Amino acid sequence: GAGVSQSPSNKVTEKGKDVELRCDPISGHTALYWYRQSLGQGLEFLIYFQGNSAPDKSGLPSDRFSAERTGGSVSTLTIQRTQQEDSAVYLCASSSGGAGSDEQYFGPGTRLTVT
Amino acid sequence: EDQVTQSPEALRLQEGESSSLNCSYTVSGLRGLFWYRQDPGKGPEFLFTLYSAGEEKEKERLKATLTKKESFLHITAPKPEDSATYLCAVRTFGNEKLTFGTGTRLTIIP
Repeated sequence: GAGVSQSPSNKVTEKGKDVELRCDPISGHTALYWYRQSLGQGLEFLIYFQGNSAPDKSGLPSDRFSAERTGGSVSTLTIQRTQQEDSAVYLCASSSGGAGSDEQYFGPGTRLTVT
Repeated sequence: EDQVTQSPEALRLQEGESSSLNCSYTVSGLRGLFWYRQDPGKGPEFLFTLYSAGEEKEKERLKATLTKKESFLHITAPKPEDSATYLCAVRTFGNEKLTFGTGTRLTIIP
């Protein structure tokens, strides 16, 4: 079946502009995660959504970052007033969210470059 | 704070030369330890989940093992297509996020 999809695959933006990154999780998966992967660093957790519960935003690095999930499916990560340090690969993952379903399945990522 | 350390950072092997990758962790209450494979320009691909010390899982040329302090990913008679970055991650009780190590970049030379 279809895996996690993300768009765009690449995004180049000027410093100070806003960007939106999109994630389509695996159909039926109730849990959705955003991570960031910077050069030479491990994946860094950003935010987690589970069903209709309030999201866990504990990993968002600043108030310029926000995310929403509409209808329990598609999610959008928004970065306002982008800075050069925001350049990274942004990865989305989904999980079925049920008992014993710990595995997270990742999309291909969006490579963001802030010039 | 949960910490995951992977070693070595990079490993070059001849085709057929078996070896092991290490993942050491310090966490408060391990719920699960995960291994992923990541090819350049792609997202991580799930390999294994381990839950308790002594557990082992195998897939083709890969075997993952777990102790109370570390996990090993053993690769037996590797082939060039096994070249990738291997990532280790942990999840703790009461936490939904994964905490990742920085990975081991494995290169298999034909």
